[in-house]
Amino acid sequence: NAGVTQTPKFRVLKTGQSMTLLCAQDMNHEYMYWYRQDPGMGLRLIHYSVGEGTTAKGEVPDGYNVSRLKKQNFLLGLESAAPSQTSVYFCASSSWTGRATNEKLFFGSGTQLSVL
Amino acid sequence: AQSVAQPEDQVNVAEGNPLTVKCTYSVSGNPYLFWYVQYPNRGLQFLLKYITGDNLVKGSYGFEAEFNKSQTSFHLKKPSALVSDSALYFCAVRLPGLPYSSASKIIFGSGTRLSIRP
Repeated sequence: NAGVTQTPKFRVLKTGQSMTLLCAQDMNHEYMYWYRQDPGMGLRLIHYSVGEGTTAKGEVPDGYNVSRLKKQNFLLGLESAAPSQTSVYFCASSSWTGRATNEKLFFGSGTQLSVL
Repeated sequence: AQSVAQPEDQVNVAEGNPLTVKCTYSVSGNPYLFWYVQYPNRGLQFLLKYITGDNLVKGSYGFEAEFNKSQTSFHLKKPSALVSDSALYFCAVRLPGLPYSSASKIIFGSGTRLSIRP
């Protein structure tokens, strides 16, 4: 039962470096999300996708890009990392198919990113 | 702006006592409401949800939540707290929107740390 898998689990970057976080789900979900978690701020939505080939901006999209080329994968990219992007990143997928009874988010275990 | 608020950063309760974790929302229309729990160094786990119908919904681990439309609240409750309930709790709302539309997002509150003392 893999569910939602995030890689890597930890990463340290220098300011200006780039990296890509990978999220993979094996539940055939249409919806996928990237959140960042910061102390006292809860989870803030970065970008999300409502299906293969689609992406949309969330609450805090600046400095990030995403791609959903395959239904099972949702990639989050940082082109030029900044210390303000130090955070814990969570990917989630949703079982929603339009029926409210199906609605539930499944989360990955998170990526701890530090930008020096 | 549409939002979810958790007014308490921390709630402290003695084991065996009832607990309440508060959540209020400001969303137009009829949103779906959720509670999630996060244990240390883990991702979030689903606890329960309110979609429509009975205002009291029951979820995992003996938790329940009461939806109050007039007060736009969705408080999490448990009749008798356990030390193992100590964790970070998040209220969340799916904004109203059609399936597969970009208007349909899920936003979270800032979280409440629940601490149960023996």
